[in-house]
Amino acid sequence: DQQVKQNSPSLSVQEGRISILNCDYTNSMFDYFLWYKKYPAEGPTFLISISSIKDKNEDGRFTVFLNKSAKHLSLHIVPSQPGDSAVYFCAASATGGFKTIFGAGTRLFVKA
Amino acid sequence: DAGITQSPRHKVTETGTPVTLRCHQTENHRYMYWYRQDPGHGLRLIHYSYGVKDTDKGEVSDGYSVSRSKTEDFLLTLESATSSQTSVYFCAISESGGLGNEQFFGPGTRLTVL
Repeated sequence: DQQVKQNSPSLSVQEGRISILNCDYTNSMFDYFLWYKKYPAEGPTFLISISSIKDKNEDGRFTVFLNKSAKHLSLHIVPSQPGDSAVYFCAASATGGFKTIFGAGTRLFVKA
Repeated sequence: DAGITQSPRHKVTETGTPVTLRCHQTENHRYMYWYRQDPGHGLRLIHYSYGVKDTDKGEVSDGYSVSRSKTEDFLLTLESATSSQTSVYFCAISESGGLGNEQFFGPGTRLTVL
């Protein structure tokens, strides 16, 4: 039973356009959400996070939106660049817990 | 970059042999984690540690054991490797274990069990 779901295995976007990566979760105890980016043959790197007390967090070209009632979050990348081509993992954790649960990932292709 | 190294980076072994993967950090972070990455499953937690000699199981702990005798080292052992344990293994560290626990990952170990 996947508690964090990324239903799109891949996404292709033109350079300069917006990339929207989606993530759904089922555990209502989750109150902190993170996105990680992973290039081939490297470990994942932290990208951006959001606490459940917020509905939006922005960092440069990256914005994460959280809809708690729908148990849904999304990562927006504007404008998309070829260097953004990577696998993006959505992750969630709960206060007092030591575990972070990851989604299966979405592979983003940004075409020049 | 956070100082995390994993060794070996690549390993090919045969079914039934023991295998130990090592994670070493120079950040003095309290929390350490072992994940495996498989297509369609993302990153799944095997075991984690919240201090020296303090470890606990993750989602997919069967067939794996861990040890942490020093803050900087976290070992993952496959007592008798099976083909289903062919995967890419990542170690991660974090300063805090709960809310806000952004994790820093090592470069990974690709393990093939024949």
